[in-house]
Amino acid sequence: QAQLVQSGAEVKKPGASVKVSCKASGYTFSDHFLHWVRQAPGQGLEWMGWINPVSGDTKNAQKFQGRISLTRDASISTVYMELSSLTSDDTAVYYCARYNGYVGYSMDSWGQGTPVTVSS
Amino acid sequence: SSELTQDPAVSVALGQTVRITCQGDSLRTYDASWYQQKPGQAPILVINGKNNRPSGISDRFSGSNSGNTASLAITGAQAEDEADYYCYSRHSSGDHVVVFGGGTRLTVL
Repeated sequence: QAQLVQSGAEVKKPGASVKVSCKASGYTFSDHFLHWVRQAPGQGLEWMGWINPVSGDTKNAQKFQGRISLTRDASISTVYMELSSLTSDDTAVYYCARYNGYVGYSMDSWGQGTPVTVSS
Repeated sequence: SSELTQDPAVSVALGQTVRITCQGDSLRTYDASWYQQKPGQAPILVINGKNNRPSGISDRFSGSNSGNTASLAITGAQAEDEADYYCYSRHSSGDHVVVFGGGTRLTVL
């Protein structure tokens, strides 16, 4: 059974950066891309980007261009999402999710979410 | 604004059938997936991109796709089905870019 476990809640000041980790287990790490999705309070789901765990190639939403860095450490089956130049608009719960081509490219397993609060 | 459009809220009487719809150009190319999210919880997949239910998902849930519209039907809605539902598909631009609908809050009366 695939499982994604994320790092804990973060509180950051405006202008700072945050780095969230997502550790995969229960499946072959190299078999599936991992995506990042966020959800601001009371709002819907917003796609941020993906990382190929084999090559390290990434793709991110235009909205986050220049501010987001997706990386991985395959030796520990972990991916990371770093977001810089934080503002209050970045206050949200951040999720990683497994992207599974065998089920029509759905996100079939999600992390528990990492709340990030940006406040002065 | 989302490129997949959903009604913000829908209600259904206990035991009745409800259909939640999602519209967008990307649905002409890719079938939708559907996610259920309850307060304080991560989303869970209820209908995948092959229009199947993952293991453990009630057979009350079914999906369909036609043209630029996808639908999630819940037959015999139960109190525990009250949640937010999001449609999702790959974006027509390709390269595994994906898009979510704005979400539909389902109330079971």
